[in-house]
Amino acid sequence: TQLLEQSPQFLSIQEGENLTVYCNSSSVFSSLQWYRQEPGEGPVLLVTVVTGGEVKKLKRLTFQFGDARKDSSLHITAAQPGDTGLYLCAGDMGRRALTFGSGTRLQVQP
Amino acid sequence: DTAVSQTPKYLVTQMGNDKSIKCEQNLGHDTMYWYKQDSKKFLKIMFSYNNKELIINETVPNRFSPKSPDKAHLNLHINSLELGDSAVYFCASSPQGRGEQYFGPGTRLTVT
Repeated sequence: TQLLEQSPQFLSIQEGENLTVYCNSSSVFSSLQWYRQEPGEGPVLLVTVVTGGEVKKLKRLTFQFGDARKDSSLHITAAQPGDTGLYLCAGDMGRRALTFGSGTRLQVQP
Repeated sequence: DTAVSQTPKYLVTQMGNDKSIKCEQNLGHDTMYWYKQDSKKFLKIMFSYNNKELIINETVPNRFSPKSPDKAHLNLHINSLELGDSAVYFCASSPQGRGEQYFGPGTRLTVT
């Protein structure tokens, strides 16, 4: 059983479209992070959200932490081929280690 | 300058062999980790060290033994390799008390 479930698992869209990726859990996290991983490389941190209800923006990416700190979403506006990659959410339960989600593989077609 | 580096990048070996993967971070972080990423891209924590002290040891076979000679290095030694050990292994580090982690480029281990 996955502690953090991401949906969708796969997403293939055209350049310019909008999309939302969800990260859900029944557990409460002290913080939640989003990473992007490209083939042959390690995950790279995009953002950390800490407060319930918090919204953070990173250019065309908008991240939201659920009010109860159990879920999060990542919204991309006007997706570009450079956004292609594996998106991973990761929850911090205060154990000094992250629990990673199942991942969402995004493909943006030009 | 590479923040978190791992060697080797690729490792192909036969069942039963013993191999090591090395990791170094130059970020001055206190905590280092080893993760395993399977073929479905699921990342799972294996070990965590804080200032050379083991603080997390998930249910990993005792054929896997981490060693931290100093807080900038965390190596992973694997004995008697099995087919199921094939995966990508990532080293990561984080500042004391903060959850965000910085990952190395990974080591793709293939056991034949």
